[in-house]
Amino acid sequence: DTGVSQNPRHKITKRGQNVTFRCDPISEHNRLYWYRQTLGQGPEFLTYFQNEAQLEKSRLLSDRFSAERPKGSFSTLEIQRTEQGDSAMYLCASSPSGQGGNTIYFGEGSWLTVV
Amino acid sequence: AQSVSQHNHHVILSEAASLELGCNYSYGGTVNLFWYVQYPGQHLQLLLKYFSGDPLVKGIKGFEAEFIKSKFSFNLRKPSVQWSDTAEYFCAVSRMDSSYKLIFGSGTRLLVRP
Repeated sequence: DTGVSQNPRHKITKRGQNVTFRCDPISEHNRLYWYRQTLGQGPEFLTYFQNEAQLEKSRLLSDRFSAERPKGSFSTLEIQRTEQGDSAMYLCASSPSGQGGNTIYFGEGSWLTVV
Repeated sequence: AQSVSQHNHHVILSEAASLELGCNYSYGGTVNLFWYVQYPGQHLQLLLKYFSGDPLVKGIKGFEAEFIKSKFSFNLRKPSVQWSDTAEYFCAVSRMDSSYKLIFGSGTRLLVRP
């Protein structure tokens, strides 16, 4: 099953350290999204790529966060100088492009705990 | 700003009971509507979606939802729940813009007692 793949699945880091998460979307999906989910809340949109272009960023994405999708395939989400408030699950999702929208498929997420 | 409201945060039912989970959104334009389910320890999975056409949509595992445009609602229903339906359910909306990003509600935790 070649679904959306994320790694690492779990990361525990000390406050102030940098962390990077990787997402491999479903093959040939042009659209890629990053979301953040905390306990008791629904996923919150962070950023969106169409191929390699980052076309939309949420105000939630502070300047400590950076996302890339260099070749329009996999993507990385880096958090610099982590804070305890960054503890959450980071979800990656992808969908094919096309008018009218399409189903967005989610990965299993990467849990981040900042201690 | 666009938002999605799920009014029931926790629902407890016995097996065979009927289920209805409320979802309302605030956006006046054309939207696509979704219900996703997250079983314990698993990733978000699509239950059903509405893009256009018949406002009553049927999804997997016997779920259905009805889009009522005048009420900005997309309630999820199942006539008879099973223990295996225990999960968290998320309503989501996407606008017909370039990103089609999903805006999620806060979710409803459903516990079905055997």
